[in-house]
Amino acid sequence: NAGVTQTPKFRVLKTGQSMTLLCAQDMNHEYMYWYRQDPGMGLRLIHYSVGEGTTAKGEVPDGYNVSRLKKQNFLLGLESAAPSQTSVYFCASSSSTGRERYEQYFGPGTRLTVT
Amino acid sequence: QKEVEQDPGPLSVPEGAIVSLNCTYSNSAFQYFMWYRQYSRKGPELLMYTYSSGNKEDGRFTAQVDKSSKYISLFIRDSQPSDSATYLCAMRIYNQGGKLIFGQGTELSVKP
Repeated sequence: NAGVTQTPKFRVLKTGQSMTLLCAQDMNHEYMYWYRQDPGMGLRLIHYSVGEGTTAKGEVPDGYNVSRLKKQNFLLGLESAAPSQTSVYFCASSSSTGRERYEQYFGPGTRLTVT
Repeated sequence: QKEVEQDPGPLSVPEGAIVSLNCTYSNSAFQYFMWYRQYSRKGPELLMYTYSSGNKEDGRFTAQVDKSSKYISLFIRDSQPSDSATYLCAMRIYNQGGKLIFGQGTELSVKP
């Protein structure tokens, strides 16, 4: 049981390049989330999904796209990277029912630098 | 103004001290209140959650919610060096896809 995994762990991009961050969970969770964490800003929600094939915008969605084609995977895409997207990106998942619905399980993070 | 405000610290205390971490919020629709702990270069982990006003205790940790003042607290008794981490408060509204709104996080250092 690996929990939530993220690929890659580190990446350096040049301005204008594109990339996709992959999140995978093996807990059969319905809900999945993408956050970014910047110094002094806490965690800010980018996009989230309440089930396979569904996505919704969070607090800071501009410049990002997401897809949830399979229940266990949630992809975050940057079509044209900008230096303002330099951040640590966290994926999380949670159940929609029971006591576990209060807890989001986080991945280890992806450190992205855009130069 | 952010929906959830948290003093980012850093906060440095000696081992054995009582630590008080606080958050204020503006949205009265928040119903569930959580505290996450994040060690350096790791993902956050849930420490405690509470529903509505009142206290909840778990070992050395006590979470307190005062909805009338829109104020939540986390107390750590007999703090240990292993408690050194960033503590994030988080809140959610019922039935909104589990979305959480986080505070900025408080960096805590417990010195031996």
